Amino acid sequence: NAGVTQTPKFRVLKTGQSMTLLCAQDMNHEYMYWYRQDPGMGLRLIHYSVGEGTTAKGEVPDGYNVSRLKKQNFLLGLESAAPSQTSVYFCASSYGGGTDGYTFGSGTRLTVV
Amino acid sequence: DAKTTQPTSMDCAEGRAANLPCNHSTISGNEYVYWYRQIHSQGPQYIIHGLKNNETNEMASLIITEDRKSSTLILPHATLRDTAVYYCIVRAPMDSNYQLIWGAGTKLIIKP
Repeated sequence: NAGVTQTPKFRVLKTGQSMTLLCAQDMNHEYMYWYRQDPGMGLRLIHYSVGEGTTAKGEVPDGYNVSRLKKQNFLLGLESAAPSQTSVYFCASSYGGGTDGYTFGSGTRLTVV
Repeated sequence: DAKTTQPTSMDCAEGRAANLPCNHSTISGNEYVYWYRQIHSQGPQYIIHGLKNNETNEMASLIITEDRKSSTLILPHATLRDTAVYYCIVRAPMDSNYQLIWGAGTKLIIKP
């Protein structure tokens, strides 16, 4: 039982490049989330999805896009990376709205130079 | 702004109980208290949650004051692997705003 798997684990991008972060969960969770965490700070919600084919904006959505074409996958895209997007990105999933807690992936450490 | 206030850091001796306080004086009647921890930049891990009754699971106990304005997470027999940042979060389970407000948490260091 893998839980929530994020790929890649590390990535270095040049300013202006694009990339997609993949999140996969095998728990049949309806809800999935993308967070970012900057040094010494708590997590901030970027986008989330309450089911296949649906997405919604969180606290800090600018510069990111997401897609949920399959229930088990939630993709986070950066169309034109900026140094301000250097961060650690965490994906999470939950049964329902997270009443019984969220399951997080191990994170993707992204550096934009 | 975070709805909770936690000490920045705490130490605890290995084998002793670690008691982590959290203040949530503005908590609403339908908001639960959740605890997560994050070990060395790994993904956060759910620990426990509660509304007003004390709760216990295999990881920890949660004690919520009668007025619900504060709570304490108790790790009964702390080990070195419990060294982590612990986050206290309040949220209404059916809140359609799925954004959890994460503060800076408490850095708990377990010492041998």
